[in-house]
Amino acid sequence: DAGVIQSPRHEVTEMGQEVTLRCKPISGHDYLFWYRQTMMRGLELLIYFNNNVPIDDSGMPEDRFSAKMPNASFSTLKIQPSEPRDSAVYFCASSLPSRGQSIYNEQFFGPGTRLTVL
Amino acid sequence: AQKITQTQPGMFVQEKEAVTLDCTYDTSDPSYGLFWYKQPSSGEMIFLIYQGSYDQQNATEGRYSLNFQKARKSANLVISASQLGDSAMYFCAMREGPSGANSKLTFGKGITLSVRP
Repeated sequence: DAGVIQSPRHEVTEMGQEVTLRCKPISGHDYLFWYRQTMMRGLELLIYFNNNVPIDDSGMPEDRFSAKMPNASFSTLKIQPSEPRDSAVYFCASSLPSRGQSIYNEQFFGPGTRLTVL
Repeated sequence: AQKITQTQPGMFVQEKEAVTLDCTYDTSDPSYGLFWYKQPSSGEMIFLIYQGSYDQQNATEGRYSLNFQKARKSANLVISASQLGDSAMYFCAMREGPSGANSKLTFGKGITLSVRP
């Protein structure tokens, strides 16, 4: 079974440009999470979805960031306009349904997208 | 206050020896779960072990075990018989509330472990 798939793996862009990161969760997982990892702030949860509905977006840094999940197999994280301080590794993760199918509800992470904004 | 605290500086261990990575947590919720993840230099996040707040026994998973001290709010990861491939960053994380109600994880800053041959 394929794991969480993220694209692109690396993205280099110039300040002011729009950036779109993509994620395909593991089939059957109904939770999807977007994280950002930097040296300064560590691993931060940006937003998470349950059954394609955003549940908690309190970690989204500002209006320049937006996330969507149009269906169970696809999500996007968009930054518009991008700034150098957005440079980070962005992870997508997914987990099983929360009732009865997983004791742990551990999150399975994708390989991440390394974003560099010049 | 930080929910998850990992304060050790970079850790070093000799190959084949055991090592303990510290994690303390802060929550007022009686139901919670604690997780450890490994992040090697390649960058992926790998789930290692889980401990539930109501679990009577310490979790074990192969060479990984979790020293869970509820009263002290600590959940230290013990790696036995270290291998060179264990060199990585290790993250402790917590889910507050029962698993059916909340899936959000809060991560600590991580600890770097280097295994010496």
